[in-house]
Amino acid sequence: AQKITQTQPGMFVQEKEAVTLDCTYDTSDPSYGLFWYKQPSSGEMIFLIYQGSYDQQNATEGRYSLNFQKARKSANLVISASQLGDSAMYFCAMRGEGNTPLVFGKGTRLSVIA
Amino acid sequence: EAGVAQSPRYKIIEKRQSVAFWCNPISGHATLYWYQQILGQGPKLLIQFQNNGVVDDSQLPKDRFSAERLKGVDSTLKIQPAKLEDSAVYLCASSPWTSGYADTQYFGPGTRLTVL
Repeated sequence: AQKITQTQPGMFVQEKEAVTLDCTYDTSDPSYGLFWYKQPSSGEMIFLIYQGSYDQQNATEGRYSLNFQKARKSANLVISASQLGDSAMYFCAMRGEGNTPLVFGKGTRLSVIA
Repeated sequence: EAGVAQSPRYKIIEKRQSVAFWCNPISGHATLYWYQQILGQGPKLLIQFQNNGVVDDSQLPKDRFSAERLKGVDSTLKIQPAKLEDSAVYLCASSPWTSGYADTQYFGPGTRLTVL
């Protein structure tokens, strides 16, 4: 079974600054995928970035990057140059081997301040 | 490419009434998921379909919840009778079936259910 832990219920960041959202995971599967989703107040879950357990490089997608430390079982999301539109809930999730569903953390609410 | 469609977006019912939600996945996506997201929590899987067959329904409260995916395309989730604790956002997601952990799931806008 997989488990995701997000220890920051809420975070504040100044506009144009960078922010790191923490995520640790636990799994016994040798292969797995790690995902980050953004959920604005409208409710839709928006896919941001993916990291595979065997990927050598940290994933990047525009202003989003994933700081993957396999030995520490952490997969932190870094948002650079924060924008007001980044204010939302952010969920870390993982998926193990096979056609299995995502397991989500409890989320972190990010508020970007002008 | 059109995303995952869901309807209705909002629904308010009284306890013991029934309700149904509809989902149309991204074209060509073989796998369809229904998640329940209670306020302040992450989504939790209710049921997973592969084409029109059920892969995982272990977390579905089968005494009141039912779901079907006829013809392997769109899907309906039903609650009958509803309880107060069913108040939540119901999210539908789809993914292409690659049988791998890298398969990204794409979510619809969700249906926000309030049970009074």
